[in-house]
Parts: sequence; C-alpha cells; structure tokens
Amino acid sequence: NAGVTQTPKFRILKIGQSMTLQCTQDMNHNYMYWYRQDPGMGLKLIYYSVGAGITDKGEVPNGYNVSRSTTEDFPLRLELAAPSQTSVYFCASSYRDASSYEQYFGPGTRLTVT
Amino acid sequence: AQSVTQLDSQVPVFEEAPVELRCNYSSSVSVYLFWYVQYPNQGLQLLLKYLSGSTLVKGINGFEAEFNKSQTSFHLRKPSVHISDTAEYFCAVSVPLPYSSASKIIFGSGTRLSIRP
Repeated sequence: NAGVTQTPKFRILKIGQSMTLQCTQDMNHNYMYWYRQDPGMGLKLIYYSVGAGITDKGEVPNGYNVSRSTTEDFPLRLELAAPSQTSVYFCASSYRDASSYEQYFGPGTRLTVT
Repeated sequence: AQSVTQLDSQVPVFEEAPVELRCNYSSSVSVYLFWYVQYPNQGLQLLLKYLSGSTLVKGINGFEAEFNKSQTSFHLRKPSVHISDTAEYFCAVSVPLPYSSASKIIFGSGTRLSIRP
C-alpha cells in the first residue's frame, strides 16, 4: 500500500497561473479531503468528498475547485493563482465507518505563488 | 464551535528528559481526539488517538496521552525523549461536517519540540 500520494512535491507559480494538485489513495477510502497549512498554523479544510461524484466546500474554498470522478483520485485545481495561496497543501482520506474519525495524510505539496 | 488550543508554541527539552505537550479543546459534541507528528519537510503521521474507553491512550514511539473530560484536556507525554523526537506536534479533534456523514479534523496551531543533546 502506497497510502495517500501527492504530486508535485514543490511548485512555484506566477500570479494568475493555474495548476492542478494531484492526490491518489489506494486504500479504497470513500472520504477524501484537501487541507492547507499556513506557516505557524494548523490545517484548514478546503474541500472534501464523501464518494465519487460528491464534493462539498470546507472552511476556505475560495479560489479552488475539485472533482472526484473515481474513488482513488481527488485533484485540487487552482485557477488564477494569488500570493495568498502560498501554502503547503495536504490531501487526506478516511474510511466510511466509525473509524472515519481517523484521517490518513499524504506528504504534502509546497506551493509558492510569486 | 469546536476548537483546539495548544498552549506552547515551542518546547525545548534536554535529551532523555520527560516532556509534556499541552492541549485543550472545546466541543459541544462527543469528541474524538488525536495527536499527529510532523517531522521536518514531511507529512503528518498519527501518533495516537482517543475515540472512547480508557482515558490513557498509548501511541507509537513511546508517547501517551490522557483524556480529561472535566478539564477538556488531552496532554501528550513521553517519559524520556530522544533527538529523533524533534518535530512539530499537532493536537486535533474530529468534528462532524454539517449535513454529511464525513468529519473534518480541526488542528491546533502546533508545538515545536526541540531536543537538546
């Protein structure tokens, strides 16, 4: 099991560019999440999905979009990148039962927008 | 509203000394509590979790935490730390998302543990 994998590990974007952060899990988890971590802060939820074809907004969704066409993949799209989106992005997944309280995290993508 | 407060942003400790990282939470619903560790330039790894049952929870790498409902605390302890424990530690609570069967993790701001030889 690779667990949760994210690509790329690092990326530098210019203001106004767009990109997609990839996230894949091989644990057959129904639930998947995107968080961002700003310096000196905990993580904040951007979007989440409870299954293929079902997504919803978290606390800080503005400037992002997601899709979930398969159980395994949950890409995060940044349109018109802004300096405020400079952050470390973590993808996570969990089971759809009582143990869904525990989430498994990927290694993160460090994004800089200049 | 649910929240997590980590009382110390940095904790310096000598090697082989004991350590306690403090965490308080507020929640109006049943709580499920976690400690995650983040080593430099790496992702988050689960150290331990409290879902129910015994209030003393043992985790990996010799860490343990005690759930105290009356004090709304979930402090993390280790009796003797090693250089390899140098990392950032996050206390977290799982809360249900509205109109959903999913839950989200609310994290504290983290405590940076630095071990001095």
